[in-house]
Amino acid sequence: AQKVTQAQTEISVVEKEDVTLDCVYETRDTTYYLFWYKQPPSGELVFLIRRNSFDEQNEISGRYSWNFQKSTSSFNFTITASQVVDSAVYFCALSEAVRTQGAQKLVFGQGTRLTINP
Amino acid sequence: EAQVTQNPRYLITVTGKKLTVTCSQNMNHEYMSWYRQDPGLGLRQIYYSMNVEVTDKGDVPEGYKVSRKEKRNFPLILESPSPNQTSLYFCASSSDRLYGYTFGSGTRLTVV
Repeated sequence: AQKVTQAQTEISVVEKEDVTLDCVYETRDTTYYLFWYKQPPSGELVFLIRRNSFDEQNEISGRYSWNFQKSTSSFNFTITASQVVDSAVYFCALSEAVRTQGAQKLVFGQGTRLTINP
Repeated sequence: EAQVTQNPRYLITVTGKKLTVTCSQNMNHEYMSWYRQDPGLGLRQIYYSMNVEVTDKGDVPEGYKVSRKEKRNFPLILESPSPNQTSLYFCASSSDRLYGYTFGSGTRLTVV
């Protein structure tokens, strides 16, 4: 069964520090997608990135970067030079390309609450 | 603006009083889903729908019903709410089963 584990329940850093959020996943499928979502204090879920299992290139978007390592089943998220506005709960999620009833199932980790202190 | 709209945003109700949380999307997406979010558990899928009149159970369907009579709407029905259904609920939609979901703003439900 697919499973996503975010071992870090809460992280607190001082502004401008770099911070890495860990995500480890389990799946029996060879084709799958990984996601990161951000949930700011206002409560909505904001899509950050999608990565498929065949693309292990790291991705950088401004201060955000993602490191996908299939060998360790990890999809870690790093924020460089963190800012107070980065404070949020971050969720890692997995979607398998299993064509069971044609449905998409997105399995989430428990989330990591990130607090950036000024 | 492309979006998923849920209503209400906040709801306090009493045990046993039937309620419906509405969800509507304007992106012509085929896939829709309901999730609940609880502390320490992340988000868990309640029900999903692949298209009109096609729905199926997710991981935690007990106590919930859904319907998909129109492509844009996917209401969540609690026939007899109980306190353990107090949670934050999200509706979501997707055009492609692998693209990930666009989420609504959430409905915070409290059952007393």
